[in-house]
Amino acid sequence: ETGVTQSPTHLIKTRGQQVTLRCSSQSGHNTVSWYQQALGQGPQFIFQYYREEENGRGNFPPRFSGLQFPNYSSELNVNALELDDSALYLCASRPGTGRNSYYEQYFGPGTRLTVT
Amino acid sequence: SQQGEEDPQALSIQEGENATMNCSYKTSINNLQWYRQNSGRGLVHLILIRSNEREKHSGRLRVTLDTSKKSSSLLITASRAADTASYFCATTRGDGNKLVFGAGTILRVKS
Repeated sequence: ETGVTQSPTHLIKTRGQQVTLRCSSQSGHNTVSWYQQALGQGPQFIFQYYREEENGRGNFPPRFSGLQFPNYSSELNVNALELDDSALYLCASRPGTGRNSYYEQYFGPGTRLTVT
Repeated sequence: SQQGEEDPQALSIQEGENATMNCSYKTSINNLQWYRQNSGRGLVHLILIRSNEREKHSGRLRVTLDTSKKSSSLLITASRAADTASYFCATTRGDGNKLVFGAGTILRVKS
């Protein structure tokens, strides 16, 4: 197991609602990324935070937003949930020193979000 | 959109046999990584190979990288039932701040 934890494990929401997912990164890691994995597909990059600032974003609409806190934990917020937002949301941390890093990423167990 | 394409999509072998999975990608990369995922849970990093490397070993894993063909392969030798999982390749580019994953290969090792 990695030292990355996520909460909650499972979540069921209704279309139009808002959701907040949480991630605690591995000790010493200051870079956190979020990924969305639809069933049967590979993870897709949502965004990355480095030292509390977003420093990279994938092809996701603005209703996907995030935060990173001084202890490097992170939140993913999704507003106006849609049925297609149903997926496994993965958080990953790494001890990167910024944009250019070769370090591997340490993934949490994920949060399974179901939107009905 | 996903950069990598894994081949095959699914692979079923007997315990003790070798398993080979292939990955192709579309753009230049800084490095390529392989991850394992059990039962739709978190991904576990297996091995990283840099763009200037051609082959790398880690235990029963062997990874090759051919940047001229934009392809990589993962070989698992002497497979075990516990190797049953989905395997993903992921690439990073110059900005280094995101992994671009393929769709994965589902490996089933029968005991």
